[in-house]
Amino acid sequence: ETGVTQTPRHLVMGMTNKKSLKCEQHLGHNAMYWYKQSAKKPLELMFVYNFKEQTENNSVPSRFSPECPNSSHLFLHLHTLQPEDSALYLCASSRSTGNTIYFGEGSWLTVV
Amino acid sequence: QQQVKQSPQSLIVQKGGISIINCAYENTAFDYFPWYQQFPGKGPALLIAIRPDVSEKKEGRFTISFNKSAKQFSLHIMDSQPGDSATYFCAAYSNYQLIWGAGTKLIIKP
Repeated sequence: ETGVTQTPRHLVMGMTNKKSLKCEQHLGHNAMYWYKQSAKKPLELMFVYNFKEQTENNSVPSRFSPECPNSSHLFLHLHTLQPEDSALYLCASSRSTGNTIYFGEGSWLTVV
Repeated sequence: QQQVKQSPQSLIVQKGGISIINCAYENTAFDYFPWYQQFPGKGPALLIAIRPDVSEKKEGRFTISFNKSAKQFSLHIMDSQPGDSATYFCAAYSNYQLIWGAGTKLIIKP
């Protein structure tokens, strides 16, 4: 069982919908990440939070909005997405932006 | 300079053979080099890692070879098994950032 849990595992949404992805880590880590994995760019870092503060935003479109209420929880709010946003979204955590990160199993997103 | 170049993109190896995946980097500030393994439907998981002061690290059938002067490192899987079929990512770490290779899809034929 992974120490990083993501829900939902699969999500299909229309381009006008609003949905959220949830991530919870049970490892006592302080840093959390969102990655996008697609065929074109296998592992693309989107956002980094360290001690609940956002430390990195890799030029991600505003239709993706992260939220980190505490060091154990991370959300990715989605609105007015495009079909090209269909991908596997991976959450990860580490000790304060350390060199070893632990991934969840991902949320498969399909935008129709 | 922040890139990590990984090759090949895909690899097919017979059961019992040696699988070799290569990575190259430019930034000499990188100080930690992990390999991650990802099975279909799962997130990547740390497989093995090495620091640049060591030329080789072995864990079971998995070995990392590190060439600091050439700025290259590679993953060797000895006696490859069908259960090793997965996508492998190399990465390099520096200054709180992990830079990822593009991944190699490995298929072990029985």
